[in-house]
Amino acid sequence: DQQVKQNSPSLSVQEGRISILNCDYTNSMFDYFLWYKKYPAEGPTFLISISSIKDKNEDGRFTVFLNKSAKHLSLHIVPSQPGDSAVYFCAASYSGTYKYIFGTGTRLKVLA
Amino acid sequence: NAGVMQNPRHLVRRRGQEARLRCSPMKGHSHVYWYRQLPEEGLKFMVYLQKENIIDESGMPKERFSAEFPKEGPSILRIQQVVRGDSAAYFCASSGQGDQPQHFGDGTRLSIL
Repeated sequence: DQQVKQNSPSLSVQEGRISILNCDYTNSMFDYFLWYKKYPAEGPTFLISISSIKDKNEDGRFTVFLNKSAKHLSLHIVPSQPGDSAVYFCAASYSGTYKYIFGTGTRLKVLA
Repeated sequence: NAGVMQNPRHLVRRRGQEARLRCSPMKGHSHVYWYRQLPEEGLKFMVYLQKENIIDESGMPKERFSAEFPKEGPSILRIQQVVRGDSAAYFCASSGQGDQPQHFGDGTRLSIL
């Protein structure tokens, strides 16, 4: 049972435009969410996180939105740059456990 | 390099052999996590350790797999009598406290012949 779902395997965006990556989850116990970026042959790099007590968190070009009622979160990248081309994973966890449940990833391609 | 260090980066084993994967956490981190990624899939949690203690091994297969994080030295993920299905990328992560974001190493790619 896939508790964290990223339904778009890939996304292409023009440089300078907004990239929106989506993630859905099924377990209402999740209270901490993260986004990671991964380049080929490298490990995931932490980008941004959000606790369930918030609905938005911003860090530079990256903003994560959380909609608890819809069990949905999204990552916005503005403006998108060619160096943002990578696979993006969302992950979730809940208090008392420190294991992350990862989605299957979305491959973002930013076109110059 | 103060990041999470994993070695080897690539490991080739024949069926039935043992694989030992090593992970040195970031400086100052005492929490270590192992994840496995199969092709075209997300990372799957395996085990969470602190120094000399296994905290959560709910993602570890019951047989052939073991993990340790001794008082001195790196964390080790050991796979005995490897089979073709063990071929995957194995990632280690570390954190300072259990509730801080985990930082990942570049992984060990295990291939079973």
